[in-house]
Amino acid sequence: EPEVTQTPSHQVTQMGQEVILRCVPISNHLYFYWYRQILGQKVEFLVSFYNNEISEKSEIFDDQFSVERPDGSNFTLKIRSTKLEDSAMYFCASKDGPSYEQYFGPGTRLTVT
Amino acid sequence: EDQVTQSPEALRLQEGESSSLNCSYTVSGLRGLFWYRQDPGKGPEFLFTLYSAGEEKEKERLKATLTKKESFLHITAPKPEDSATYLCAVQDYGGATNKLIFGTGTLLAVQP
Repeated sequence: EPEVTQTPSHQVTQMGQEVILRCVPISNHLYFYWYRQILGQKVEFLVSFYNNEISEKSEIFDDQFSVERPDGSNFTLKIRSTKLEDSAMYFCASKDGPSYEQYFGPGTRLTVT
Repeated sequence: EDQVTQSPEALRLQEGESSSLNCSYTVSGLRGLFWYRQDPGKGPEFLFTLYSAGEEKEKERLKATLTKKESFLHITAPKPEDSATYLCAVQDYGGATNKLIFGTGTLLAVQP
């Protein structure tokens, strides 16, 4: 069964460093999303991406964040200068055209020290 | 503003003891209500989509129902492997991209 994959599973970085989180969405899906979940809190929407551009972004998704689909399979989230409060689980999700269900990857745990 | 509230926050059941989880929502126009299961340290796993009041969906021991204000996830004769956090999420017709708005979840523990 096709699934969303994410790498790395855990990333530790120092405050101020840049990180890139990688996702491979399900192959025939067209819409891509990033969400995050701070420990003990709800899953929060960050950004959606369709047709090689950002469709919608939340207030959390400020100038420190960017997304890219560098090729036909990968979808990345970059944080330019990490802060302590960026520590969270980051989930990638994708969906196909007609349906509304989003399928999530296993997540990347980002720890900023 | 769209809101999703789930109750209870945590629920402990004995194996075989049926119960229900609640999800109350406020949206300007409901495109869909979604139930996900989340195991510790993992991503949400899709369970059901409900689109309109009166709709019901079933999968093994789980049944999801929807009214105009809330959704219930009924668990019949649960087993220990049903232990997880159950997340409810909504999509609003007003959104351009089908973003999901999640509740905080119900942590279910089923004891043998």
